[in-house]
Amino acid sequence: GAVVSQHPSWVICKSGTSVKIECRSLDFQATTMFWYRQFPKQSLMLMATSNEGSKATYEQGVEKDKFLINHASLTLSTLTVTSAHPEDSSFYICSAGTSGRIYNEQFFGPGTRLTVL
Amino acid sequence: QQQVKQSPQSLIVQKGGIPIINCAYENTAFDYFPWYQQFPGKGPALLIAIRPDVSEKKEGRFTISFNKSAKQFSLHIMDSQPGDSATYFCAATPSKETSGSRLTFGEGTQLTVNP
Repeated sequence: GAVVSQHPSWVICKSGTSVKIECRSLDFQATTMFWYRQFPKQSLMLMATSNEGSKATYEQGVEKDKFLINHASLTLSTLTVTSAHPEDSSFYICSAGTSGRIYNEQFFGPGTRLTVL
Repeated sequence: QQQVKQSPQSLIVQKGGIPIINCAYENTAFDYFPWYQQFPGKGPALLIAIRPDVSEKKEGRFTISFNKSAKQFSLHIMDSQPGDSATYFCAATPSKETSGSRLTFGEGTQLTVNP
């Protein structure tokens, strides 16, 4: 149980285009989803936290107009990188948490490799 | 105060060795400490986690030692295998009954286990 999927697993796009990444909780309802980005040989950097039906909360320094997050249902959150540029190339990872657990636990997706040419 | 410091940055051991990865935190509100294992090109996977009311937790070959007074915790991998070669991240979070608590990650340790 507690499986989180991401789609696509990798994407290559041209500079200036927008890319959408989906994050799904397959066998549980995710009341909260988190989006991270990870550069090579670095730790995970939290970009934003989203609760179903609410606006996402962005971390300091993350442009909310560039990284659009939608959490429309308890099983799906999307991250759209708008007007992508080469510096946006990174590994994007989502995680999902569920209420009702005693201790906060996040289940991570497999990640999406974004390359902007 | 939100940081979690992790060391070493990289570690190389021989098969059968016991690599030890250390983490230290400052925020006393943290009370749930998970460790994640990440293989190249994959998302992190929960390995083992501990609460501060116990000083040690063991699951298979993986053991967490916790020192609440020192605000330090460490991961030990017994009888390490080449398949354990991965990046390991410690993390910390205040536990809640809701899912909204954010994880604070350490910088990561790249472990290589030579055959």
